[in-house]
Amino acid sequence: AQSVTQLGSHVSVSEGALVLLRCNYSSSVPPYLFWYVQYPNQGLQLLLKYTTGATLVKGINGFEAEFKKSETSFHLTKPSAHMSDAAEYFCAVRGGADGLTFGKGTHLIIQP
Amino acid sequence: ETGVTQTPRHLVMGMTNKKSLKCEQHLGHNAMYWYKQSAKKPLELMFVYNFKEQTENNSVPSRFSPECPNSSHLFLHLHTLQPEDSALYLCASSQDRGGEKLFFGSGTQLSVL
Repeated sequence: AQSVTQLGSHVSVSEGALVLLRCNYSSSVPPYLFWYVQYPNQGLQLLLKYTTGATLVKGINGFEAEFKKSETSFHLTKPSAHMSDAAEYFCAVRGGADGLTFGKGTHLIIQP
Repeated sequence: ETGVTQTPRHLVMGMTNKKSLKCEQHLGHNAMYWYKQSAKKPLELMFVYNFKEQTENNSVPSRFSPECPNSSHLFLHLHTLQPEDSALYLCASSQDRGGEKLFFGSGTQLSVL
């Protein structure tokens, strides 16, 4: 079975500051890990994913995430926040044949 | 635009009504999914269809009835719902079952009175 824990239901950063959204997972098999973003009144969009290979993965809009097996983590970062980054962010893990297991989401607030 | 279209965008229904949610994808995908998104809870996978066949039903109450007439269309038929069923219902598709990249629709915001 798989599970995802996102630390912090709300994260607030100033425009231009570092964004760090935390995600820890558990999986009985080598995981595939994902970050999705949901803008207001929209469905989810894939930001980035880790399957195999390089542990630092880059996604769209300047986001990146690092897979750390020893820490069972897959934290999402962006060096400099923009106002347009305000959204809900979901970490997800796939360890089996069907669907993804999602975390509860983190609401990112950007302060001007 | 993700290629997955859901209608209606908003739906208000009484507990005795019968309504249906519709999802359509023109991406040539073979797998389609229904998810339920409630406030402060993880997305809950409800149903999975692969090549029109239902492959997963996550203990969803029978008042929710899915239908997949072809690989491009997915319906969720609703009847005698409860107020706690109020949520955002998201449809998604992927190339194949267990596909790594899901394409989501914008969802139907359902309110049950």
